[in-house]
Amino acid sequence: ILNVEQSPQSLHVQEGDSTNFTCSFPSSNFYALHWYRWETAKSPEALFVMTLNGDEKKKGRISATLNTKEGYSYLYIKGSQPEDSATYLCAFSNFGNEKLTFGTGTRLTIIP
Amino acid sequence: DSGVTQTPKHLITATGQRVTLRCSPRSGDLSVYWYQQSLDQGLQFLIQYYNGEERAKGNILERFSAQQFPDLHSELNLSSLELGDSALYFCASSVSVTGLGTEAFFGQGTRLTVV
Repeated sequence: ILNVEQSPQSLHVQEGDSTNFTCSFPSSNFYALHWYRWETAKSPEALFVMTLNGDEKKKGRISATLNTKEGYSYLYIKGSQPEDSATYLCAFSNFGNEKLTFGTGTRLTIIP
Repeated sequence: DSGVTQTPKHLITATGQRVTLRCSPRSGDLSVYWYQQSLDQGLQFLIQYYNGEERAKGNILERFSAQQFPDLHSELNLSSLELGDSALYFCASSVSVTGLGTEAFFGQGTRLTVV
């Protein structure tokens, strides 16, 4: 059974502050790690797809890192804005198993 | 707008009934995935189709079935519905056969309520 764990479950951050959260996954036979942002009443939207150990991706104020050997990824948000409020999902896959296994997400609330 | 269309957006039905959820993938995407999100649960993978053929199966109940048609749209059929089947059902699509190294695009979901 593949378990993807995300922490913390929820987070309140003051506007302007930076924050980060974690996704842990089994490191064996790793294939890909995805991050999605899911705003209320909308559909999940892809942020990053990472496949290489040491990968680091950036989109505006949001960045992510990947450590496949120890089985974790961090998502960073710099200078949080109210529009960053959402649930951030990570999903993992391994070789020979095409489905994405999702974590339960980190719910981020930015306090103006 | 992700380009993935799901209908209907909301569905209320009685226990024991059968419903069909429909998904039109993004233009050019060959893979379609179905996910279920119940209260306090993460997205649970149900099934994947690629170009009309079943590629991967998750924890999909025997009462549920799906198919992908030649025009690449997909339908998820849920039968003998129980109260516990109430959930948000998402469809996603992606370009490649694996859909894993490439991002998946999600529809807005169908909210199913079984009463």
